[in-house]
Amino acid sequence: QVQLQESGPGLVKPSQTLSLTCTVSGGSISSGGYYWSWIRQHPGKGLEWIGYIYYSGSTYYNPSLKSRVTISVDTSKNQFSLKLSSVTAADTAVYYCARGYNWNDEFDYWGQGTLVTVSS
Amino acid sequence: QAVLTQPSSLSASPGASASLTCTLRSGINVGTYRIYWYQQKPGSPPQYLLRYKSDSDKQQGSGVPSRFSGSKDASANAGILLISGLQSEDEADYYCMIWHSSAYVFGTGTKVTVL
Repeated sequence: QVQLQESGPGLVKPSQTLSLTCTVSGGSISSGGYYWSWIRQHPGKGLEWIGYIYYSGSTYYNPSLKSRVTISVDTSKNQFSLKLSSVTAADTAVYYCARGYNWNDEFDYWGQGTLVTVSS
Repeated sequence: QAVLTQPSSLSASPGASASLTCTLRSGINVGTYRIYWYQQKPGSPPQYLLRYKSDSDKQQGSGVPSRFSGSKDASANAGILLISGLQSEDEADYYCMIWHSSAYVFGTGTKVTVL
């Protein structure tokens, strides 16, 4: 059973960079065919896809966030990470990592999510 | 206008059927898209339910009961999630999703209440 777990600071100051890591267990991040995504959910709101990475390092980002997003992968640790720069209060959200089947198919496994609050 | 619009809420009685719609923005043809459906309960991540493009291109999520099914209404340009035989544990938020213009797009979500 694949499991994903987000980790990182729960509080980030405005204008700083939000950094989160997703640790994958029960399966290898290097197994082909899966794309590893970050998705966020503003409090009481809907879902927003941030971007994904393939184990090779290829990335694709949501155009609405592309200028501030970097996703990286560490296959040796079976982890992938999110950096979101120049954060504001509007970036306060629950951040989920998820496994996507193919580059444009369903998210079949999700982490439990981690709340990141942007505040001074 | 949102790419995917869902009714904000829906209430139904136990045992009844609930039809959740996901309307695509004008100019985006529902016929060309796989529509994915997720269920989210409070404090939990979304769970994949199923995808539907056509009767020949559909998939049920692992372990998802058959009383959850997908379809489309081309005349309304909408995807539909049908929940048959509603149960109390079906009370949750439901989101649709498509891959559109090189990005995943989620619907606005429907809160289902089982009265």
